[in-house]
Amino acid sequence: GAGVSQTPSNKVTEKGKYVELRCDPISGHTALYWYRQSLGQGPEFLIYFQGTGAADDSGLPNDRFFAVRPEGSVSTLKIQRTERGDSAVYLCASSFPGGRTDTQYFGPGTRLTVL
Amino acid sequence: KNEVEQSPQNLTAQEGEFITINCSYSVGISALHWLQQHPGGGIVSLFMLSSGKKKHGRLIATINIQEKHSSLHITASHPRDSAVYICAVRFADTGNQFYFGTGTSLTVIP
Repeated sequence: GAGVSQTPSNKVTEKGKYVELRCDPISGHTALYWYRQSLGQGPEFLIYFQGTGAADDSGLPNDRFFAVRPEGSVSTLKIQRTERGDSAVYLCASSFPGGRTDTQYFGPGTRLTVL
Repeated sequence: KNEVEQSPQNLTAQEGEFITINCSYSVGISALHWLQQHPGGGIVSLFMLSSGKKKHGRLIATINIQEKHSSLHITASHPRDSAVYICAVRFADTGNQFYFGTGTSLTVIP
């Protein structure tokens, strides 16, 4: 596809359940970012991948959150024992390699609702 | 402390008006990003800049490194410009992550 895609677009789950959110970056983009956006707030950084490795995971709120990118393309954000406070839109972005001002291209987001 | 502040928080304008949205940040940056988010929609990148000025159509973005301030201008505003505009900065001392402002909600009335 031409842009960043994310699946599912909406996810409703119950408190305590496990969820996986998927991001397909633009082909050739080695940098991939996960953000979380709560209602009325700007996006909040979670984790950044360069290739297969997590170059910066300082934004993950706690150890219930984990993300992988095993082949350096698709990434999965995993949330264990979900809590109501995890409800938010989870955004993925990717960018071309190199350059400190590389533009990020955002996906449509996954809206997670924890009941 | 790394902070990003936007003003105004909400803005209503008549069609055709010139619009300015401001972004201030606390410490030195390596890049600043202006983004547009439509209600229920995804985020679209408008500009990425680290100095000077960029123009694309009716949109102009400027940055003043010394004053730690950036502005996004919209000339001849149109109802389709109605969206949330978000400023995001990459601070010079924090690697690759971006810090986002809370956004400016713009409504352009016909």
